[in-house]
Amino acid sequence: SYVLTQPPSVSVAPGQTARITCGGNNIGSKSVHWYQQKPGQAPVLVVYDDSDRPSGIPERFSGSNSGNTATLTISRVEAGDEADYYCQVWDSSSDPRGVVFGGGTKLTVL
Amino acid sequence: QVQLVESGGGLVKPGGSLRLSCAASGFTFSDYYMSWIRQAPGKGLEWVSYISSSGSTIYYADSVKGRFTISRDNAKNSLYLQMNSLRAEDTAVYYCARVHWGNWFDPWGQGTLVTVSS
Repeated sequence: SYVLTQPPSVSVAPGQTARITCGGNNIGSKSVHWYQQKPGQAPVLVVYDDSDRPSGIPERFSGSNSGNTATLTISRVEAGDEADYYCQVWDSSSDPRGVVFGGGTKLTVL
Repeated sequence: QVQLVESGGGLVKPGGSLRLSCAASGFTFSDYYMSWIRQAPGKGLEWVSYISSSGSTIYYADSVKGRFTISRDNAKNSLYLQMNSLRAEDTAVYYCARVHWGNWFDPWGQGTLVTVSS
């Protein structure tokens, strides 16, 4: 089955740029989606189809995907961005086919 | 506004059964695929199951296949998850989510907690 690998944690100072990676075999050939989850809350979609933002998500959130790595970039990080972030793809190549999530990355704002 | 509200969670003994429900509002439920996703305490997200808009196409994660059954009632704008032969490792918050054409999830419900313990 397909595996997505995320770093367990990323730390960044306020105002700086955070980059959260999601590794997978030839992930650049898939569409990657990203979710933000704050403690005690349900996940919220922040990027879909590699780099598109849902309405209401700040432009500070952006995504890219190429080769074996997808990246969620958060510019001008704020304290309110502190959360767990998950990447997700649809795996149609494995049996059974289905949804795959990365293990999640905890973003700490210093 | 689009809203998903789960219910039916609770404490159940190993080997027992539980049925979760998800009430949808604010959108045309019958137009969308839907999914269940769970999160064990302190752990990451785990996809559970997925059902097409008509109910004709269904997928399950290997961890629940043969024990869980997803279904929907488009007339009642409701999604269900019948969980049988429950195990301790099924303990989690269960979320329902609307599936978009590119297989991303938005929005998610607030979740319902299922605890499997003797």
